Amino acid sequence: DQQVKQNSPSLSVQEGRISILNCDYTNSMFDYFLWYKKYPAEGPTFLISISSIKDKNEDGRFTVFLNKSAKHLSLHIVPSQPGDSAVYFCAAIDPNDYKLSFGAGTTVTVRA
Amino acid sequence: NAGVTQTPKFRVLKTGQSMTLLCAQDMNHEYMYWYRQDPGMGLRLIHYSVGEGTTAKGEVPDGYNVSRLKKQNFLLGLESAAPSQTSVYFCASSYCRQGCEQYFGPGTRLTVT
Repeated sequence: DQQVKQNSPSLSVQEGRISILNCDYTNSMFDYFLWYKKYPAEGPTFLISISSIKDKNEDGRFTVFLNKSAKHLSLHIVPSQPGDSAVYFCAAIDPNDYKLSFGAGTTVTVRA
Repeated sequence: NAGVTQTPKFRVLKTGQSMTLLCAQDMNHEYMYWYRQDPGMGLRLIHYSVGEGTTAKGEVPDGYNVSRLKKQNFLLGLESAAPSQTSVYFCASSYCRQGCEQYFGPGTRLTVT
């Protein structure tokens, strides 16, 4: 039973516009959330994270929002660039075992 | 500084054959992990290690064994490969367990026929 869900398998956005990726989770014990980016034939690379004590974290063009009451987080990419075309994974950590639980990923395509 | 490396990059096995996937990291990380990625399922944890000489089961450990004889290496073994083990395998390492990211290798694509 997946505890982290990314319900949109794909997203297409025009260059320069905003990309919004969504992630829902079921385990209320999760206290740290991460986003990873993956290009074909490469391993995932860390993008941005947020602790459960915060509701927003920003790093350049990337912002992650956390809504604990809704068990929902989102990643905003503004403005979107062609190099952002990749698969994005949402992940969460349970402090009871420190294991990462991953969502299934969202494939983002940025159109020129 | 190579980060996390994995060998081999690709492998085709016949059902029942065995093989070992090697993961190496040069970042002096204590924690190492093996994941498999399957379509529509994200990454699932197979086994992990919290230090040299220690291993523990993850979410999908059946059919796999691991060893961490040296801090920098984490081996994943398949004793008798099955078609259900066709997947892309990723190794990762991290310097802490809570609140820090994991660094991933480039992956090994394994096909079992």
